[in-house]
Parts: sequence; C-alpha cells; structure tokens
Amino acid sequence: KAGVTQTPRYLIKTRGQQVTLSCSPISGHRSVSWYQQTPGQGLQFLFEYFSETQRNKGNFPGRFSGRQFSNSRSEMNVSTLELGDSALYLCASSPGQPGGADTEAFFGQGTRLTVV
Amino acid sequence: GEDVEQSLFLSVREGDSSVINCTYTDSSSTYLYWYKQEPGAGLQLLTYIFSNMDMKQDQRLTVLLNKKDKHLSLRIADTQTGDSAIYFCAEWGHNTDKLIFGTGTRLQVFP
Repeated sequence: KAGVTQTPRYLIKTRGQQVTLSCSPISGHRSVSWYQQTPGQGLQFLFEYFSETQRNKGNFPGRFSGRQFSNSRSEMNVSTLELGDSALYLCASSPGQPGGADTEAFFGQGTRLTVV
Repeated sequence: GEDVEQSLFLSVREGDSSVINCTYTDSSSTYLYWYKQEPGAGLQLLTYIFSNMDMKQDQRLTVLLNKKDKHLSLRIADTQTGDSAIYFCAEWGHNTDKLIFGTGTRLQVFP
C-alpha cells in the first residue's frame, strides 16, 4: 500500500509569487491535514479537509488556502509568497477524523519550499 | 490554549535507555502520540496511547502517561544509533479538534 505522496519535494520561489503543493493520501483515507514546519515555530497546523470540506483551520493568513478533490487528493496554495513562508510543508492522511486509535495521522515526506 | 512542551535535546550512549518527556495542558486530550522525524524526512508514527491508559509497551518502546500531571514519556530500551532523530509528542486537542505538536526533542545516540 503506497504511503502519503507529496509533490514536489523541493521548490524555490521568488517573493510575491504563488505556489501550489500537492498531497495524495493513502488509498481509502478521507482526511488530509496540512502542517508547516519551521525551526522557529515548530509544527503548526494549517488546515484539515475531510470529504472535500474544510473542517478545521489554523491561525494562518488568508494567503494560505487549500482544497480537497473527490478522490481525497489535496492541494494547498500560498499566494503572494513572503520570505517567512520558507518551510517544510507536511501533509498527513487519516482514514477518518484524526484523533482516534484507528484514525491516526500518517505523514508524507514533505515539500521543502524556499522563498528567495 | 493548548500547549505541548518537550526538552530540546537528549544525548545517550548506545545500549542505554532513553527517556523523552512531554507535558501538555489540554485535559480533554483523548489520544497522545509519539512521532519520529529523521533528517530530511516526514514524521513517522511510532506509537500512541489512549488517555484512559497508564502504560503501553510496544517492543523497545514504552509509553507512560500520568494524566493527573499531564505528563507523557517515551522510553526507548537498548537505544541504537538508528534511533537518532527528533521525537515529537502530540495530543489530540478535543476542544480544538486538531493535533497539537510539541517542540520536538533531538535525540543523539553516541557509541
């Protein structure tokens, strides 16, 4: 069974540009969560999607958005990139809502975004 | 708000036991997790414990939960160099409906 796949693995963008990251969850999983990891702030929750609906959102500006498709694949978009957006973006998938014994989150390798 | 804290570094000799500690604030947490992150990689789920349990053992890993003190620990027996990584504890915040991660503990194993 394939794990969580995130593409691309590495990305370099210029300030002001926008970027789209992709996450393919484990087959059969319906929940996808996104996290930003930086040395200074650690792991910060961005948002969670379940069956194409955003169910929860972290404390990030509106430049950060996401969506989920009917096949559970998810994308996140960051517009008007800032230097501080440089981070490892991690996606996690769960069969259902995270937080239960049978719904623990499985993470992808992440996309390392560098904004110059 | 919810907060999860861990010490930043731990250094142990190969073959010894490692104990990584974590404290959390959300008393409504139902599940608590331990994740491992190796350099350049995502997070690997190691184990979890339900809040009504005190202890869970899984091969070399032992999780202890003191719900009264909101303290969670991960003990790794016979620590190996391959265990060198960053370890994150995480709680499911029942009130916030999301995973809250600790700052991570960097475990260094030396021969």
